[in-house]
Amino acid sequence: DTGVSQDPRHKITKRGQNVTFRCDPISEHNRLYWYRQTLGQGPEFLTYFQNEAQLEKSRLLSDRFSAERPKGSFSTLEIQRTEQGDSAMYLCASSGDDEQFFGPGTRLTVL
Amino acid sequence: EDQVTQSPEALRLQEGESSSLNCSYTVSGLRGLFWYRQDPGKGPEFLFTLYSAGEEKEKERLKATLTKKESFLHITAPKPEDSATYLCAVQRGDSWGKFQFGAGTQVVVTP
Repeated sequence: DTGVSQDPRHKITKRGQNVTFRCDPISEHNRLYWYRQTLGQGPEFLTYFQNEAQLEKSRLLSDRFSAERPKGSFSTLEIQRTEQGDSAMYLCASSGDDEQFFGPGTRLTVL
Repeated sequence: EDQVTQSPEALRLQEGESSSLNCSYTVSGLRGLFWYRQDPGKGPEFLFTLYSAGEEKEKERLKATLTKKESFLHITAPKPEDSATYLCAVQRGDSWGKFQFGAGTQVVVTP
């Protein structure tokens, strides 16, 4: 399978814990995006990388969220001191041009 | 502030009953408008990109059109496998990495 992969697919954590998600994009894609999606809503933009450079970050993103893309390959999204409001599906997408290919997402539940 | 509004929120169709979904937008300097299909528990799947008013794209039973203020996704003679949530997203010309999504239209096609 040469699509976008995300790990883990599901994560249950207690409030206050840190969590990290991984995204492996399609290998030839230089653009990578992170989104958050809650039930009944469309994906909400979090951040965007072109190669290893983080070019855009949502103003909605608090300092508890950080993302990296070392060497312009896989990416990680870390949430520190999780809150119940962080419960959502976290989606990663990659693209070589304007067509984004999404991964299956990581569903986070914060208890 | 940019806005993307999709209507209706939900649509129930009989197999073969054609209909249209609407995506209205307020964006300064639109570069592109994108349509995606999302099945439950999965990431969005790319359908179309439209770049200029008057442009049309077709794929099987789906046809997307674009004006200066809105886009329509026409579903002709739908089948049950067309049941999904359809999302539209806009991309600004001065912010290529940031896509803003609407909340989606949930379509159910019954046999």
